[in-house]
Amino acid sequence: SQQGEEDPQALSIQEGENATMNCSYKTSINNLQWYRQNSGRGLVHLILIRSNEREKHSGRLRVTLDTSKKSSSLLITASRAADTASYFCATGRGGDKIIFGKGTRLHILP
Amino acid sequence: DGGITQSPKYLFRKEGQNVTLSCEQNLNHDAMYWYRQDPGQGLRLIYYSQIVNDFQKGDIAEGYSVSREKKESFPLTVTSAQKNPTAFYLCASSMDRGSHGYTFGSGTRLTVV
Repeated sequence: SQQGEEDPQALSIQEGENATMNCSYKTSINNLQWYRQNSGRGLVHLILIRSNEREKHSGRLRVTLDTSKKSSSLLITASRAADTASYFCATGRGGDKIIFGKGTRLHILP
Repeated sequence: DGGITQSPKYLFRKEGQNVTLSCEQNLNHDAMYWYRQDPGQGLRLIYYSQIVNDFQKGDIAEGYSVSREKKESFPLTVTSAQKNPTAFYLCASSMDRGSHGYTFGSGTRLTVV
């Protein structure tokens, strides 16, 4: 049961540019979370935004949430080579589990 | 340091064998989860447990079994009934039912030979 869907599936940008990834979901949520996964590794929690919040910042990360459009975006500013990874959104409905999308593969070019 | 430890990192299984993947956490988290990830795909939930001695099936539980005898440990057994077990397996834990995010282990890559 896939809830979130990231867009684009893959993204390549030059180092120093900003990267934007989007996530759309289908049903009402309690919170939306973004995770990063480096190749062959576990996921790392980046940021969580609750349904009553519209924007949240953490360092070079900016997340927005539009519950009327059932969508969220993750902006990474001033990208670095170390940002190369897959990024997943996950939606929570306040219950027992969260559901992950298929991810966006981000490649930062030198 | 607190965290989740998965072992082994790589595991090879022969056809018809059962294998057990270990997951241990020292974060004092109540909830633990097992996910399967196939190449280029997202994570699919296999089993999860909110408290000791209790667990629930996720979306793809067939061919897998778990136990939760201790708060710190949530081992996953991949049985011979799982027809396509080759995948990357991730264990996670959370407090407050995930309302503050999940902490993941580094994964176990299982290959059938």
